[in-house]
Amino acid sequence: EPEVTQTPSHQVTQMGQEVILRCVPISNHLYFYWYRQILGQKVEFLVSFYNNEISEKSEIFDDQFSVERPDGSNFTLKIRSTKLEDSAMYFCASSEGLAGAIYEQYFGPGTRLTVT
Amino acid sequence: AQSVTQLGSHVSVSEGALVLLRCNYSSSVPPYLFWYVQYPNQGLQLLLKYTTGATLVKGINGFEAEFKKSETSFHLTKPSAHMSDAAEYFCAVLTGNQFYFGTGTSLTVIP
Repeated sequence: EPEVTQTPSHQVTQMGQEVILRCVPISNHLYFYWYRQILGQKVEFLVSFYNNEISEKSEIFDDQFSVERPDGSNFTLKIRSTKLEDSAMYFCASSEGLAGAIYEQYFGPGTRLTVT
Repeated sequence: AQSVTQLGSHVSVSEGALVLLRCNYSSSVPPYLFWYVQYPNQGLQLLLKYTTGATLVKGINGFEAEFKKSETSFHLTKPSAHMSDAAEYFCAVLTGNQFYFGTGTSLTVIP
């Protein structure tokens, strides 16, 4: 069964460093998403991406964040200069159409980012 | 503003006992409601969803949930817990094009 994959499973970085989290969505999906979950808190929407551009973003997704689909398979989240509060689990998801009543989001297993 | 509240970050039940995981939401418009499950080292997997129509929805693995508009609730139940149900469960609301998740409930099943 097709699945969303994410690498690495755990990333440790120093404050101020740039990190790139990688996701491979399901191949025929057109919508891509990033979420994060700070330990003990809610899973929060960061951004959705369609047709090579951001379709929606939350207030969390500030100028430190960017997303890219550099080729036909990968979908990346870059954090330009990491802060301690960026430590969280980051989930990638994809859907065939806009996720909602009809189309289901499929989630990856997450990347745990630890900023020291 | 939309929000989702899951009462109880940890729930323990005995094998064979009723599972009840609570979810309340606030939404200014009729929402779409979802339950997801996350097993260790895996992504969130859709258990069931309510969009329109029958308020009692059935999902995978014997789970069901009932949308109660008057109580703004969407509690998840399963009549008889199985060891394989041990996982993290997330309730979510979709309004507009954004999902809003709860903090999750970790379910432990005691043999």
